[in-house]
Amino acid sequence: GESVGLHLPTLSVQEGDNSIINCAYSNSASDYFIWYKQESGKGPQFIIDIRSNMDKRQGQRVTVLLNKTVKHLSLQIAATQPGDSAVYFCAENIDNYGQNFVFGPGTRLSVLP
Amino acid sequence: SQTIHQWPATLVQPVGSPLSLECTVEGTSNPNLYWYRQAAGRGLQLLFYSVGIGQISSEVPQNLSASRPQDRQFILSSKKLLLSDSGFYLCAWSPGTGNSGANVLTFGAGSRLTVL
Repeated sequence: GESVGLHLPTLSVQEGDNSIINCAYSNSASDYFIWYKQESGKGPQFIIDIRSNMDKRQGQRVTVLLNKTVKHLSLQIAATQPGDSAVYFCAENIDNYGQNFVFGPGTRLSVLP
Repeated sequence: SQTIHQWPATLVQPVGSPLSLECTVEGTSNPNLYWYRQAAGRGLQLLFYSVGIGQISSEVPQNLSASRPQDRQFILSSKKLLLSDSGFYLCAWSPGTGNSGANVLTFGAGSRLTVL
């Protein structure tokens, strides 16, 4: 399959532990953020999103935290599983225009048995 | 529910040959459509986007072109491929203008192009 992100930062975690993936975004005017998961050779999949009027949002096993002061976004995955192994990247959007999405470079999550 | 399809999934083409990648969306109307390229080790680069039939905006000058002949069809083309056109191409859609919901970008499965 496609090898995405050959030189990406890698986070290795033990199966069952919690994972925290960080993202620094660029534009203080960004008002909408999405985390995507991309497995090798596949398209990115939506995980969770958050608007700028919130600082935390929880999904199933995932939590996104937004710190607008320092323009920082994080994705927390609870009880990491082998199926969580993938490249994760954040996206920021301004003014609800799709062409204004800016994507981070991504982090490769590797789950160790 | 909405679905997005793109094909072919994998393509190996000689330098100088033409290219056509196709993307269709089902279950929605008047979507915004996008073509991205993802090179190994890099993030997503927006190539083209379209807010309606026949309306194409190009983000990056290059050897590629895009067309939107129907509301839910988006095509990426080239007349003569270059080696540097190799990469992973992703089609995506988002709700069109007037939609008050979240502007989620939903991606297709991707098309891996190798130019030899």
